[in-house]
Amino acid sequence: NAGVTQTPKFQVLKTGQSMTLQCAQDMNHNSMYWYRQDPGMGLRLIYYSASEGTTDKGEVPNGYNVSRLNKREFSLRLESAAPSQTSVYFCASSEVTYNEQFFGPGTRLTVL
Amino acid sequence: SQQGEEDPQALSIQEGENATMNCSYKTSINNLQWYRQNSGRGLVHLILIRSNEREKHSGRLRVTLDTSKKSSSLLITASRAADTASYFCATPRGYGQNFVFGPGTRLSVLP
Repeated sequence: NAGVTQTPKFQVLKTGQSMTLQCAQDMNHNSMYWYRQDPGMGLRLIYYSASEGTTDKGEVPNGYNVSRLNKREFSLRLESAAPSQTSVYFCASSEVTYNEQFFGPGTRLTVL
Repeated sequence: SQQGEEDPQALSIQEGENATMNCSYKTSINNLQWYRQNSGRGLVHLILIRSNEREKHSGRLRVTLDTSKKSSSLLITASRAADTASYFCATPRGYGQNFVFGPGTRLSVLP
């Protein structure tokens, strides 16, 4: 039982490059989330998926797209990376949207 | 200001002392949650308190909720060096909706 897994752990991109962050959970949770955390700050919600087949914008969706591939997997795509997207990205899941969330280990992304 | 805000921003105590952190929020809630984050790692859920509960315990943790004041507090008793971390409260964006995390309280427990 791995919980929430994220790949990759680290990534360096050049401005304008694209990439996809992968997230998977094995807890049969309905809801999944993508957050970003900038130094010394709390988490800001980028996108979430309340249930399989649905996605909704969070606080800071600009520059990102998501795909809820199936109940287990929720990916985050940066189409054209910008230095402002340098951050640590966390994926999380929960049974339903207002229950406790389980977090992955994070992806440290640097955009040069 | 943010939906959920922790206070203080930083707290430094000696091992064995108690640590208290506070969280204020704005909207009606069905529950409020506290999380811990060790440096560079993902958040770990500590405790969930429902709107009809006033106090909840989990080991050395005690959480209170005052819905009339829209505030919650997290008390860690007999702190240990391993409690050094950032602590976040999470409050719902709206009733039953996904959660918003505050900026956190950075707790340092000195040996």
